[in-house]
Amino acid sequence: LAKTTQPISMDSYEGQEVNITCSHNNIATNDYITWYQQFPSQGPRFIIQGYKTKVTNEVASLFIPADRKSSTLSLPRVSLSDTAVYYCLVGDMDSSYKLIFGSGTRLLVRP
Amino acid sequence: ETGVTQTPRHLVMGMTNKKSLKCEQHLGHNAMYWYKQSAKKPLELMFVYNFKEQTENNSVPSRFSPECPNSSHLFLHLHTLQPEDSALYLCASSQDGQGAPNQPQHFGDGTRLSIL
Repeated sequence: LAKTTQPISMDSYEGQEVNITCSHNNIATNDYITWYQQFPSQGPRFIIQGYKTKVTNEVASLFIPADRKSSTLSLPRVSLSDTAVYYCLVGDMDSSYKLIFGSGTRLLVRP
Repeated sequence: ETGVTQTPRHLVMGMTNKKSLKCEQHLGHNAMYWYKQSAKKPLELMFVYNFKEQTENNSVPSRFSPECPNSSHLFLHLHTLQPEDSALYLCASSQDGQGAPNQPQHFGDGTRLSIL
């Protein structure tokens, strides 16, 4: 399974765009990239998933360069309620259920 | 509402007690999972069930005993736990544990377990 590396923490202010980059140098051909968000005392929540190029939904965008060795989660105009831990995961078809959660990125949004 | 319900939300037990954690999913999924999240540590996958069959046991001590009577329900039976077992226990489900990779897991909000 591909290992991921993300910054331990990030600070931002309300209204700013936040970009969290995840490195996955050993990503395999069948691997998808998935991001989750977790608030204290809650389970992780699925945010977005992608394979290549760009994916956008109502809450975030995911940018994946051609070599797929990294990905960037983009949160537009963050609010205080976006303060959470964000996890980047890589999973393949054979073991997609064996998600390996790293330490994630702790995002703090300040007023 | 995530479609995955865990009970109880909080549990305090002694090391000699026997208790069970319950998870129920209303999403029609076929795969269910137990995770452990200790303070300031990443989530650790414990067990995976796919179509009621256990497909993964991540070297979990035998004092944790899972049970999956059907695809909608998952239990974690606890006995003679240790203080280091205090953690948030999370249940998750997905459409199919060995299907296409683009099947995100849906998590419950966990049971906060404290061992005295």
